[in-house]
Amino acid sequence: DTAVSQTPKYLVTQMGNDKSIKCEQNLGHDTMYWYKQDSKKFLKIMFSYNNKELIINETVPNRFSPKSPDKAHLNLHINSLELGDSAVYFCASSQARSGVPTDTQYFGPGTRLTVL
Amino acid sequence: AQTVTQSQPEMSVQEAETVTLSCTYDTSESNYYLFWYKQPPSRQMILVIRQEAYKQQNATENRFSVNFQKAAKSFSLKISDSQLGDTAMYFCAFMYYGGATNKLIFGTGTLLAVQP
Repeated sequence: DTAVSQTPKYLVTQMGNDKSIKCEQNLGHDTMYWYKQDSKKFLKIMFSYNNKELIINETVPNRFSPKSPDKAHLNLHINSLELGDSAVYFCASSQARSGVPTDTQYFGPGTRLTVL
Repeated sequence: AQTVTQSQPEMSVQEAETVTLSCTYDTSESNYYLFWYKQPPSRQMILVIRQEAYKQQNATENRFSVNFQKAAKSFSLKISDSQLGDTAMYFCAFMYYGGATNKLIFGTGTLLAVQP
């Protein structure tokens, strides 16, 4: 059984389009994350949700909007796609509680987004 | 702000030999974890090993071990008896806990090639 899954794994689209990436975890974790890996392989946090509440929102353009319908799902919607949005987007999850030693983050397989 | 530095962009090792990947970090916090993640060509992010900063004993996982030097803020990964399947990008990561967020801060990665 896949612990953290993402759909789609590959996404090719034109500039200006709107697209979504979905993430689901079956680990029973309460915190989920989106990371972006750029063309140089550098990974950086974008967003984090704890029990459907946004707790991390890094300096990401507001064209990116995360949505968490429940604690097992975290989706990423991107409006008006730009060439620079081309990257691999990773979803991750953990059992994280403020002030308490936290579990490791487990990653999904990644979604390679290519904007033409 | 925390930073993570991996000074070796690429490394190569012969099968069955031992290799050490370097990582240094900078933080003023005392509550944190350190991780090594592996990213093979499949691009899946796989946890290799984790170290709690409050533990003096170095973490080990089978052929993988770390040398954690807290005062020096150094966290190197040693891979013994290297195997072809160890060929991957290795990322060192830092995570502070104790606040409302638990984001991973990654280094730039070391690309390890295991030669037959």
